[in-house]
Amino acid sequence: GAVVSQHPSRVICKSGTSVKIECRSLDFQATTMFWYRQFPKQSLMLMATSNEGSKATYEQGVEKDKFLINHASLTLSTLTVTSAHPEDSSFYICSARDSAASGGPGETQYFGPGTRLLVL
Amino acid sequence: GQNIDQPTEMTATEGAIVQINCTYQTSGFNGLFWYQQHAGEAPTFLSYNVLDGLEEKGRFSSFLSRSKGYSYLLLKELQMKDSASYLCAVMDSNYQLIWGAGTKLIIKP
Repeated sequence: GAVVSQHPSRVICKSGTSVKIECRSLDFQATTMFWYRQFPKQSLMLMATSNEGSKATYEQGVEKDKFLINHASLTLSTLTVTSAHPEDSSFYICSARDSAASGGPGETQYFGPGTRLLVL
Repeated sequence: GQNIDQPTEMTATEGAIVQINCTYQTSGFNGLFWYQQHAGEAPTFLSYNVLDGLEEKGRFSSFLSRSKGYSYLLLKELQMKDSASYLCAVMDSNYQLIWGAGTKLIIKP
């Protein structure tokens, strides 16, 4: 099946630094990618929808200047957490929608393995 | 508002059957999804229902009733590795996924 990778899988950083997380679709093209955040024992929370070649659409309450999203190609989207603080510590997960697949949107969206961010 | 309800936690015995229910109220409907999520890992896709009825995939089956705003995930012949959280999500009229809080399933020997 389709594979989505995320890098890094785990990152520890000091408060005030910026962290970049990459999301790649390895064997399919994804015009749309989604970035989620998940706090312990809570469900996924959609942060933003990333569209190739255009600006990302952010959910209400998500600071676009703090969480910078770039979707420069059909296989790569990046999320940069700028000036990270301890409250940004979370599990960040991306998913990618297969642009070419047919048959049910559910079967055309694939999740990356997630990136665990710890801000000290 | 949009709302997805599912039980917080369920316990079942290895080898048995368990049904996890999900009710929803959303702005439009473009399908209902079930995902499995093991602790510390990203969700994995289990099933997708857009028409009423039962979809069977091996030990897992998913049912949908659009008129009742109701779905369930049925797990048969439970194995210890099925211990995980099960997330119900509905795709609304804007093709965005609305997520339930998840049901933590505990399997006992």
